Amino acid sequence: QQQVKQSPQSLIVQKGGISIINCAYENTAFDYFPWYQQFPGKGPALLIAIRPDVSEKKEGRFTISFNKSAKQFSLHIMDSQPGDSATYFCAASSRGQNFVFGPGTRLSVLP
Amino acid sequence: DSGVTQTPKHLITATGQRVTLRCSPRSGDLSVYWYQQSLDQGLQFLIQYYNGEERAKGNILERFSAQQFPDLHSELNLSSLELGDSALYFCASSVAGQVTEQFFGPGTRLTVL
Repeated sequence: QQQVKQSPQSLIVQKGGISIINCAYENTAFDYFPWYQQFPGKGPALLIAIRPDVSEKKEGRFTISFNKSAKQFSLHIMDSQPGDSATYFCAASSRGQNFVFGPGTRLSVLP
Repeated sequence: DSGVTQTPKHLITATGQRVTLRCSPRSGDLSVYWYQQSLDQGLQFLIQYYNGEERAKGNILERFSAQQFPDLHSELNLSSLELGDSALYFCASSVAGQVTEQFFGPGTRLTVL
């Protein structure tokens, strides 16, 4: 029940395309859903996050869509750029504790 | 640069040994989290401290222990090391125990030979 599932494992997108990464969870106590971006040799960096009281949050080219009833959330990267090539992790936590991360999606954006 | 520092960057040691990893949180952050990242396990939450007190425990082995000192820096101690402990160890910090935005350090790469 603590698990967060993430798909796809890897994703190849052409420059300018839309990248979509999906996550699903079981624990209804989760109240915070962040996405992290990680470049090789670096620590994860917070990209965007959402709470279950909203269905969508947009920051620049990044959008989180949240479906509380389906217990699913997704990251959309619009106008994907080669610089977006990285590993993306979704995560979930309850009351700021016990963060659970998805297994990650390796995104490659082709020039 | 997240403002979280970790030392050392790299650590190579032998099985059975003990090592200490150090983390300094961002200025003003009271909460420290430790994570293990390995190729086959992804990012695993180990333990969280808030203002010197243990706040939450994840998948931390009994051979591992951590503490947070009065100056808020934290140390992760790994003992009786096994080959499978080879991984990247990340520290993250946040302002408070219930605030959820975490800032990750650059990590310590541990290699156990």
